[in-house]
Amino acid sequence: GENVEQHPSTLSVQEGDSAVIKCTYSDSASNYFPWYKQELGKGPQLIIDIRSNVGEKKDQRIAVTLNKTAKHFSLHITETQPEDSAVYFCAALYNQGGKLIFGQGTELSVKP
Amino acid sequence: EAGVAQSPRYKIIEKRQSVAFWCNPISGHATLYWYQQILGQGPKLLIQFQNNGVVDDSQLPKDRFSAERLKGVDSTLKIQPAKLEDSAVYLCASSWTGYEQYFGPGTRLTVT
Repeated sequence: GENVEQHPSTLSVQEGDSAVIKCTYSDSASNYFPWYKQELGKGPQLIIDIRSNVGEKKDQRIAVTLNKTAKHFSLHITETQPEDSAVYFCAALYNQGGKLIFGQGTELSVKP
Repeated sequence: EAGVAQSPRYKIIEKRQSVAFWCNPISGHATLYWYQQILGQGPKLLIQFQNNGVVDDSQLPKDRFSAERLKGVDSTLKIQPAKLEDSAVYLCASSWTGYEQYFGPGTRLTVT
């Protein structure tokens, strides 16, 4: 069945360091992989996404890489700042218009 | 552009009572989703609408949950009767392309 595994569950870094969160998916037909940031008391906010025909995408300090052969994708945050502290979720979409399958979340803490 | 609106933001009810949540998607978004997010987990799809038709309700506990999207815009999710395990955040999301999904702030439900 459809499943997304996310690691680590918690991550603590010093301000200015890089953070990496990794996800694996089970359904080889998945073709869209978004990342969401969720702050306390708020809904998930889409921060970056990647489609299956692209290996890497970057937007300022965040980047996502995708390895379709290995069925895993990763979020990279460089030069972390305290405001990056939040829970991050990866997700996979089976087909356009379908449901998102979410990972379990990673609680990122950036210490000043 | 206004985001997804949800109300109420918080609700506390006793078990066996009923409750309803309201969602107004981003203007022009044909697809609307209701997700349930239990504390410490990623969101899980309950039901998906395309305009005013149901696309996927396979994860909706139909003996107690119901949802409608009359006129293909606003949507209401109802729980009757509520159980303790229904305590969660109920998130509404909408999409125009079928890929990017944008979430509202959610309704935090506590069942006592």
